[in-house]
Amino acid sequence: DTAVSQTPKYLVTQMGNDKSIKCEQNLGHDTMYWYKQDSKKFLKIMFSYNNKELIINETVPNRFSPKSPDKAHLNLHINSLELGDSAVYFCASSHGLAGGELFFGEGSRLTVL
Amino acid sequence: AQTVTQSQPEMSVQEAETVTLSCTYDTSESDYYLFWYKQPPSRQMILVIRQEAYKQQNATENRFSVNFQKAAKSFSLKISDSQLGDAAMYFCAYEDAGNNRKLIWGLGTSLAVNP
Repeated sequence: DTAVSQTPKYLVTQMGNDKSIKCEQNLGHDTMYWYKQDSKKFLKIMFSYNNKELIINETVPNRFSPKSPDKAHLNLHINSLELGDSAVYFCASSHGLAGGELFFGEGSRLTVL
Repeated sequence: AQTVTQSQPEMSVQEAETVTLSCTYDTSESDYYLFWYKQPPSRQMILVIRQEAYKQQNATENRFSVNFQKAAKSFSLKISDSQLGDAAMYFCAYEDAGNNRKLIWGLGTSLAVNP
């Protein structure tokens, strides 16, 4: 059973399009995250949700909108895609307590042409 | 603001040998956590080892151990008896204990294991 699953794994799209990435976790965690990893492997947090409540929103353009319908799901919708949005997007989950392990999905590679 | 520095973009080690990956961090906090995560070529990140700053004893997980020097703000990872499966990107990360689970990540060290 996959603990944190993201779909799709690969996305190729044109500039200006809108796309969504879905994430689901079956670990019973109450906190979920979206991370962006750029071409140089730099990993940066974008958002985190705790029990469907937005906790972290890291100066991400408002073209990016996360949605958490329940605590097992955290989706990422991106409007008006730009070249600079090309990256690997990782979903992760954890318990809400500090110091806990993050469990990552396999990533979704977004390529904007 | 807290920062994490991994000064070795790339390292290599012979199979069965020992390698140490360095990580330094900057913080004014006294209560925090440090992590090493591994990202194999398949891309999924997994936790290797974790250290709580209030614990003086260095964390160990099988062949993986850390050298945590709190005063020097240093957190190096030692991999003993390196195996081919250890080849990966290794990321050092810092978490302030009271900061809503916001981790600060280093830029990573790419480790190659030579047979």
